[in-house]
Amino acid sequence: NAGVTQTPKFRILKIGQSMTLQCTQDMNHNYMYWYRQDPGMGLKLIYYSVGAGITDKGEVPNGYNVSRSTTEDFPLRLELAAPSQTSVYFCASSHNAGGEDYGYTFGSGTRLTVV
Amino acid sequence: GENVEQHPSTLSVQEGDSAVIKCTYSDSASNYFPWYKQELGKRPQLIIDIRSNVGEKKDQRIAVTLNKTAKHFSLHITETQPEDSAVYFCAASLSGGSYIPTFGRGTSLIVHP
Repeated sequence: NAGVTQTPKFRILKIGQSMTLQCTQDMNHNYMYWYRQDPGMGLKLIYYSVGAGITDKGEVPNGYNVSRSTTEDFPLRLELAAPSQTSVYFCASSHNAGGEDYGYTFGSGTRLTVV
Repeated sequence: GENVEQHPSTLSVQEGDSAVIKCTYSDSASNYFPWYKQELGKRPQLIIDIRSNVGEKKDQRIAVTLNKTAKHFSLHITETQPEDSAVYFCAASLSGGSYIPTFGRGTSLIVHP
């Protein structure tokens, strides 16, 4: 299994540009998440999905959009990039089995700079 | 909602010493408590977890203890090594529902050779 794959690893955007961060998992996990991590800080939840076709906002959703058309893919869209969106973005997935939840598997991250 | 407090924010130890990181949570219904290790520039990785029906769990040099009455859980690392240097995050959640864990703010562990 490749686990959770994120692309790209690095990206520089100009203010006002848009881009999509890709995230794919091959573990058949039902839950998927997007977090951002600012330097020296913890993880802030942007959006999450509990299954294909279902998405919901986290604590910092403004300026982002997501979709979940398949179990495997959970892309994050940035519209009109702003310097405040400079951060490292992590995609993660997890699953529930036998009524119990299990910990996250994180992707390797996307380091985004908006200039 | 759930609130997780993590202490200390920074922990500096000598190689071979033990390290303890403590988290407290507010929602008594929380029943799943994972710990993640994030090395510099890397992704967080699950290192150990504990469920509310267990008081302690060990995996080689790391262990986690849970006190449901006091609503706190702790990560214990024995015989620390320089490669243990990282940021450690705790989390708490209610398993079986819409699984959105609440993370602690992280502890930066520095192990001096």
